[in-house]
This record gives sequence, C-alpha cells and structure tokens, in this order.
Amino acid sequence: EPEVTQTPSHQVTQMGQEVILRCVPISNHLYFYWYRQILGQKVEFLVSFYNNEISEKSEIFDDQFSVERPDGSNFTLKIRSTKLEDSAMYFCASSEALLWGHEQYFGPGTRLTVT
Amino acid sequence: DAKTTQPTSMDCAEGRAANLPCNHSTISGNEYVYWYRQIHSQGPQYIIHGLKNNETNEMASLIITEDRKSSTLILPHATLRDTAVYYCIAPNNAGNMLTFGGGTRLMVKP
Repeated sequence: EPEVTQTPSHQVTQMGQEVILRCVPISNHLYFYWYRQILGQKVEFLVSFYNNEISEKSEIFDDQFSVERPDGSNFTLKIRSTKLEDSAMYFCASSEALLWGHEQYFGPGTRLTVT
Repeated sequence: DAKTTQPTSMDCAEGRAANLPCNHSTISGNEYVYWYRQIHSQGPQYIIHGLKNNETNEMASLIITEDRKSSTLILPHATLRDTAVYYCIAPNNAGNMLTFGGGTRLMVKP
C-alpha cells in the first residue's frame, strides 16, 4: 500500500541553524501539506501546496518557513533560522485531490529538536 | 476554528463496539466529515469520511444523522491497539486544510 515517507525521523539542530525536512508523498497525489505538533498540543496546519504554489498557509508559516518540490518526488519544508519554539513533530501529508471526498494521508513525522 | 465538538475522553471494553460521537451542527450541506486517529505521536491515520450517507470500510463505520448535525464513528470490535486520540474534522471551505481539535482520547481496556 502506498504511503507517505519522511526523512529524517529525528533531527537535532542548534538555534539559528537552517533545517530541511524531507517528504516523499504518494506518487499520484497532487496536493501536499505540512503540519506540526508541539509536544502535548494539537496538530496544527502549516501550509498546503499545489501546482508548485502555496495554496493555503497558516499564521505559523511566516518568512522563516518555505516549501519546495525540487523534483517529481520530494516535497521539502525549510526553516531558515530555527528557534527553540520550532521544536515539534512535523508531519507531511498528501492527497490526490482537494478534501471534498478525497483522503489526506500523513507520513510518520520528523521530530525536530532545537537546542 | 474547529467546526466540530467531541467528548474529551471515553473508555471501551476490549471486544466491544466503540461509539465515538461528534457534533458538527454548523457545517454546510456540501462539507464532508473526516475521521482520523493518532496513536502516541505517530502521524494521524485516516479512518473514514462521509457526506450524507452512512459509510463503512475495513476499519470502521460512520453514521451521519439525517440533519447532518452529528455523526458517530463505530469501531465494531475494539482492540487494545485502537487506544488512540480520535479526531472528527470538517475541512475548510477551500478543501485544502484540516483543522485538528482536541479529539476524543479512547482508552480500550482489557
């Protein structure tokens, strides 16, 4: 069964460093998403991406964040200058079409620890 | 803001049906209701979704009231591995975002 994969599973970085989180969405999916979950808190939407453009983003997704689909398979989330409060689980998701009857599938997540 | 409300927690005996309610009285006629679950800090797992009709798949059944103001997720024979937080979600109008609330923490007990 196709699944969303994410690498690395755990990333430790120092405050102020840049990190890139990688995701491989399900191959025939066209819509891509990033969510995050700070320990003990709700899953929060960050951004959705379609046709090489951001289609929706939350207030969390400020200028420090960017997304890219550099090739036909990967979808990346970059945080330019990490802060302590960026420590969280980051989940990538993908869907075949918009959420009007289509499923959105999540990856296992990357745990980002900023020290 | 989440368009759904769920009880904070529920218990269920192993082998029995788990019935998880969700209120979504403000969703419009063309808004789907999705159910996901999250086990520990794993990625949310898709369970089922519906619009008007009741739905069933290999994981669960979804019963939606005729007025669409509420729904119930049914796990027919709960196992210990079904212990998780269950989320009832109505996507945004653009259909490109899921807003997770607090969900229902289901504890399946032996």
